[in-house]
Amino acid sequence: QKEVEQDPGPLSVPEGAIVSLNCTYSNSAFQYFMWYRQYSRKGPELLMYTYSSGNKEDGRFTAQVDKSSKYISLFIRDSQPSDSATYLCATPGGNQFYFGTGTSLTVIP
Amino acid sequence: DAGVIQSPRHEVTEMGQEVTLRCKPISGHNSLFWYRQTMMRGLELLIYFNNNVPIDDSGMPEDRFSAKMPNASFSTLKIQPSEPRDSAVYFCASSLGQFNQPQHFGDGTRLSIL
Repeated sequence: QKEVEQDPGPLSVPEGAIVSLNCTYSNSAFQYFMWYRQYSRKGPELLMYTYSSGNKEDGRFTAQVDKSSKYISLFIRDSQPSDSATYLCATPGGNQFYFGTGTSLTVIP
Repeated sequence: DAGVIQSPRHEVTEMGQEVTLRCKPISGHNSLFWYRQTMMRGLELLIYFNNNVPIDDSGMPEDRFSAKMPNASFSTLKIQPSEPRDSAVYFCASSLGQFNQPQHFGDGTRLSIL
Protein backbone atom coordinates (compact mmCIF):
# COMPACT_ATOMS: atom_id res chain seq x y z
CA GLN A 1 0.00 0.00 0.00
CA LYS A 2 1.31 3.42 -0.91
CA GLU A 3 1.62 5.97 1.85
CA VAL A 4 -0.69 8.39 0.04
CA GLU A 5 -3.33 7.41 -2.51
CA GLN A 6 -5.11 9.85 -4.77
CA ASP A 7 -7.63 9.36 -7.53
CA PRO A 8 -5.91 10.63 -10.69
CA GLY A 9 -9.15 11.69 -12.39
CA PRO A 10 -9.35 13.46 -14.74
CA LEU A 11 -12.13 15.56 -13.30
CA SER A 12 -14.09 17.95 -15.47
CA VAL A 13 -16.65 20.40 -14.02
CA PRO A 14 -18.58 23.46 -15.21
CA GLU A 15 -17.57 26.89 -13.99
CA GLY A 16 -19.13 27.70 -10.63
CA ALA A 17 -19.33 24.09 -9.44
CA ILE A 18 -18.07 22.88 -6.09
CA VAL A 19 -15.09 20.58 -6.52
CA SER A 20 -14.06 17.88 -4.07
CA LEU A 21 -10.58 16.37 -4.29
CA ASN A 22 -9.61 13.53 -2.01
CA CYS A 23 -6.68 11.50 -0.72
CA THR A 24 -6.22 8.68 1.74
CA TYR A 25 -3.07 7.99 3.72
CA SER A 26 -1.78 4.88 5.40
CA ASN A 27 0.03 5.94 8.56
CA SER A 28 -1.94 7.32 11.49
CA ALA A 29 1.25 9.04 12.73
CA PHE A 30 1.14 11.53 9.86
CA GLN A 31 0.21 14.96 11.22
CA TYR A 32 0.94 17.61 8.59
CA PHE A 33 -0.98 17.71 5.35
CA MET A 34 -0.54 19.90 2.33
CA TRP A 35 -2.24 20.53 -0.97
CA TYR A 36 -0.22 21.69 -3.94
CA ARG A 37 -1.49 23.01 -7.25
CA GLN A 38 0.53 22.38 -10.39
CA TYR A 39 -0.14 24.15 -13.65
CA SER A 40 1.13 22.63 -16.87
CA ARG A 41 4.90 22.97 -17.27
CA LYS A 42 5.26 24.62 -13.87
CA GLY A 43 6.38 23.44 -10.45
CA PRO A 44 3.91 22.56 -7.70
CA GLU A 45 2.86 25.57 -5.59
CA LEU A 46 1.62 25.30 -2.05
CA LEU A 47 -2.10 25.91 -1.75
CA MET A 48 -3.05 24.76 1.75
CA TYR A 49 -1.16 23.57 4.82
CA THR A 50 -2.91 21.95 7.75
CA TYR A 51 -1.93 20.29 10.97
CA SER A 52 -3.83 17.38 12.52
CA SER A 53 -7.61 17.15 12.17
CA GLY A 54 -10.21 19.73 11.25
CA ASN A 55 -10.87 22.30 8.58
CA LYS A 56 -8.89 25.21 7.24
CA GLU A 57 -10.39 27.78 4.93
CA ASP A 58 -8.65 30.22 2.59
CA GLY A 59 -10.91 32.11 0.25
CA ARG A 60 -12.64 29.64 -2.04
CA PHE A 61 -10.49 26.75 -0.79
CA THR A 62 -11.17 24.53 2.23
CA ALA A 63 -8.85 21.75 3.38
CA GLN A 64 -10.29 19.06 5.60
CA VAL A 65 -8.50 16.32 7.53
CA ASP A 66 -10.29 13.36 9.07
CA LYS A 67 -7.69 11.45 11.07
CA SER A 68 -10.15 8.77 12.17
CA SER A 69 -10.56 7.61 8.58
CA LYS A 70 -7.17 8.82 7.34
CA TYR A 71 -8.85 10.92 4.71
CA ILE A 72 -7.92 14.39 3.45
CA SER A 73 -10.00 16.58 1.19
CA LEU A 74 -9.74 19.85 -0.69
CA PHE A 75 -12.93 21.68 -1.58
CA ILE A 76 -13.04 24.44 -4.16
CA ARG A 77 -16.13 26.64 -4.16
CA ASP A 78 -17.28 28.65 -7.16
CA SER A 79 -14.68 26.97 -9.35
CA GLN A 80 -13.07 29.09 -12.07
CA PRO A 81 -11.33 28.17 -15.34
CA SER A 82 -8.11 29.40 -13.71
CA ASP A 83 -8.45 26.54 -11.21
CA SER A 84 -7.74 24.08 -14.04
CA ALA A 85 -4.58 22.32 -12.90
CA THR A 86 -3.32 19.16 -11.25
CA TYR A 87 -3.80 19.04 -7.47
CA LEU A 88 -1.46 16.98 -5.32
CA CYS A 89 -1.89 16.05 -1.69
CA ALA A 90 1.24 15.57 0.39
CA THR A 91 2.36 14.64 3.86
CA PRO A 92 5.74 14.30 5.58
CA GLY A 93 6.63 11.14 7.44
CA GLY A 94 9.99 10.23 8.95
CA ASN A 95 12.70 11.20 6.51
CA GLN A 96 10.38 11.26 3.57
CA PHE A 97 7.82 13.49 1.91
CA TYR A 98 4.95 11.60 0.32
CA PHE A 99 2.98 12.99 -2.59
CA GLY A 100 -0.18 11.67 -4.14
CA THR A 101 -0.04 11.10 -7.87
CA GLY A 102 -2.24 14.15 -8.47
CA THR A 103 -5.79 14.76 -9.71
CA SER A 104 -6.17 16.61 -12.99
CA LEU A 105 -9.00 19.17 -12.85
CA THR A 106 -10.54 21.04 -15.77
CA VAL A 107 -13.09 23.79 -15.13
CA ILE A 108 -15.14 24.45 -18.26
CA PRO A 109 -16.31 28.05 -18.86
CA ASP B 1 11.11 37.68 -3.52
CA ALA B 2 12.81 35.37 -5.97
CA GLY B 3 11.62 31.80 -5.81
CA VAL B 4 13.61 28.64 -6.42
CA ILE B 5 15.53 29.01 -9.67
CA GLN B 6 16.41 26.02 -11.81
CA SER B 7 18.48 25.79 -14.95
CA PRO B 8 18.33 24.79 -17.67
CA ARG B 9 14.55 24.70 -18.22
CA HIS B 10 14.94 22.14 -20.99
CA GLU B 11 17.75 19.76 -21.82
CA VAL B 12 17.92 17.37 -24.74
CA THR B 13 20.98 15.19 -25.02
CA GLU B 14 22.11 11.84 -26.31
CA MET B 15 22.39 8.71 -24.28
CA GLY B 16 25.74 8.40 -22.53
CA GLN B 17 26.28 12.12 -22.11
CA GLU B 18 26.74 13.80 -18.75
CA VAL B 19 23.85 15.98 -17.62
CA THR B 20 24.09 18.63 -14.92
CA LEU B 21 21.00 20.28 -13.45
CA ARG B 22 21.31 23.36 -11.30
CA CYS B 23 19.29 24.88 -8.49
CA LYS B 24 19.35 28.08 -6.48
CA PRO B 25 17.12 27.78 -3.39
CA ILE B 26 15.22 30.60 -1.75
CA SER B 27 17.56 32.71 0.35
CA GLY B 28 17.35 31.74 4.01
CA HIS B 29 15.95 28.28 3.42
CA ASN B 30 18.11 25.60 4.97
CA SER B 31 16.67 22.48 3.34
CA LEU B 32 16.87 21.56 -0.32
CA PHE B 33 15.17 18.69 -2.11
CA TRP B 34 15.58 17.13 -5.54
CA TYR B 35 12.58 15.37 -7.08
CA ARG B 36 11.85 13.55 -10.30
CA GLN B 37 8.37 13.60 -11.83
CA THR B 38 7.05 11.15 -14.41
CA MET B 39 3.56 10.25 -15.53
CA MET B 40 3.97 6.69 -14.30
CA ARG B 41 5.46 7.33 -10.86
CA GLY B 42 4.48 10.88 -10.00
CA LEU B 43 6.83 12.92 -7.80
CA GLU B 44 9.69 10.95 -6.31
CA LEU B 45 12.12 12.36 -3.77
CA LEU B 46 15.68 11.66 -4.87
CA ILE B 47 17.79 13.33 -2.20
CA TYR B 48 17.57 16.10 0.33
CA PHE B 49 20.06 18.36 2.07
CA ASN B 50 19.85 20.14 5.38
CA ASN B 51 22.33 22.95 6.03
CA ASN B 52 24.21 21.88 2.87
CA VAL B 53 24.71 18.32 4.16
CA PRO B 54 23.11 15.37 2.33
CA ILE B 55 20.75 13.70 4.79
CA ASP B 56 19.06 10.97 2.80
CA ASP B 57 19.90 9.86 -0.72
CA SER B 58 17.96 6.61 -0.63
CA GLY B 59 15.77 7.83 -3.47
CA MET B 60 18.66 8.21 -5.89
CA PRO B 61 17.95 5.48 -8.43
CA GLU B 62 21.50 4.46 -9.30
CA ASP B 63 25.13 5.34 -8.86
CA ARG B 64 24.87 7.25 -12.11
CA PHE B 65 23.08 9.94 -10.12
CA SER B 66 24.95 12.27 -7.79
CA ALA B 67 24.09 15.54 -6.06
CA LYS B 68 26.11 18.23 -4.36
CA MET B 69 25.43 21.35 -2.38
CA PRO B 70 28.69 23.27 -2.09
CA ASN B 71 27.04 26.26 -0.38
CA ALA B 72 23.68 27.47 0.86
CA SER B 73 22.74 29.05 -2.46
CA PHE B 74 23.58 26.39 -5.00
CA SER B 75 23.04 22.71 -5.68
CA THR B 76 23.61 20.40 -8.64
CA LEU B 77 22.18 17.07 -9.69
CA LYS B 78 24.38 15.15 -12.09
CA ILE B 79 23.62 12.11 -14.22
CA GLN B 80 26.59 10.34 -15.76
CA PRO B 81 26.16 8.47 -18.04
CA SER B 82 22.59 9.40 -18.95
CA GLU B 83 20.07 6.85 -20.26
CA PRO B 84 16.72 7.26 -22.04
CA ARG B 85 14.85 6.06 -18.93
CA ASP B 86 16.19 9.12 -17.08
CA SER B 87 13.90 11.30 -19.19
CA ALA B 88 11.60 13.15 -16.78
CA VAL B 89 11.00 16.55 -15.21
CA TYR B 90 13.41 17.21 -12.36
CA PHE B 91 12.34 19.62 -9.65
CA CYS B 92 14.28 21.33 -6.93
CA ALA B 93 12.49 22.57 -3.82
CA SER B 94 13.57 24.38 -0.69
CA SER B 95 12.08 24.94 2.75
CA LEU B 96 12.71 26.34 6.19
CA GLY B 97 13.29 23.31 8.36
CA GLN B 98 12.86 19.83 7.03
CA PHE B 99 9.73 17.86 6.36
CA ASN B 100 7.07 19.47 8.47
CA GLN B 101 7.46 22.77 6.64
CA PRO B 102 5.98 23.48 3.21
CA GLN B 103 8.31 23.15 0.29
CA HIS B 104 8.67 25.75 -2.44
CA PHE B 105 9.35 24.36 -5.89
CA GLY B 106 11.17 25.65 -8.91
CA ASP B 107 9.67 25.28 -12.37
CA GLY B 108 11.74 22.21 -13.13
CA THR B 109 14.12 21.00 -15.81
CA ARG B 110 12.50 18.96 -18.55
CA LEU B 111 15.11 16.36 -19.48
CA SER B 112 15.00 14.26 -22.63
CA ILE B 113 17.64 11.61 -23.24
CA LEU B 114 17.64 10.35 -26.83
